[in-house]
Amino acid sequence: QSALTQPRSVSGSPGQSVTISCTGTSSDVGGYNYVSWYQQHPGKAPKLMIYDVSKRPSGVPDRFSGSKSGNTASLTISGLQAEDEADYYCCSYAGSRWVFGGGTKLTVL
Amino acid sequence: EVQLLESGGGLVQPGGSLRLSCAASGFTFSSSGMSWVRQAPGKGLEWVSTIRGSDRSTYYADSVKGRFTISRDNSKNTLYLQMNSLRAEDTAVYYCAKDLYGDSGYHDCWGQGTLVTVSS
Repeated sequence: QSALTQPRSVSGSPGQSVTISCTGTSSDVGGYNYVSWYQQHPGKAPKLMIYDVSKRPSGVPDRFSGSKSGNTASLTISGLQAEDEADYYCCSYAGSRWVFGGGTKLTVL
Repeated sequence: EVQLLESGGGLVQPGGSLRLSCAASGFTFSSSGMSWVRQAPGKGLEWVSTIRGSDRSTYYADSVKGRFTISRDNSKNTLYLQMNSLRAEDTAVYYCAKDLYGDSGYHDCWGQGTLVTVSS
């Protein structure tokens, strides 16, 4: 059960946009539209930011958006803010199991 | 207010057993899918196990299959994880999490986590 592949780190300045990729296979990301993204600040529990590839739970700003093409899902954060600095994890259904990405550390410069 | 409160973590020797509990409140526990997700120190998230609310079907990561058992007591609004034959690589913070809706598999509420340390 290999983890989904995410870049270890990304960075951007306040107000800019950043995109975090999440690459899997046809057995997970490519095979189902059940991709989610979680934000985790240090020492805190994860928070659901995106589900069903591109839907936002209530309370999540529309600066956060998700998409998918083939075996790769993406999370885009526009209008970066200081509080967006955190670790981000993608997650995909993979047929009777779920698999997370390795995580991406977002630094707001 | 939705709340999840884990307990039962601690230090255990390799080969030992531990049972984690997660007390839930603020939502209809019986109809909600529930999961355990762990995070080793300084590492990423790893899905461990899920139990559906609709039919109590259970699912496990290959890394814990045959050693861990997830269960629920709807009368007590409590989720459990029985962990046997523990290994050093099971050392992690264990989070319980509820599904966003039904058995969606998306986790909109997480507990604070309980630390399990497997060491001699």
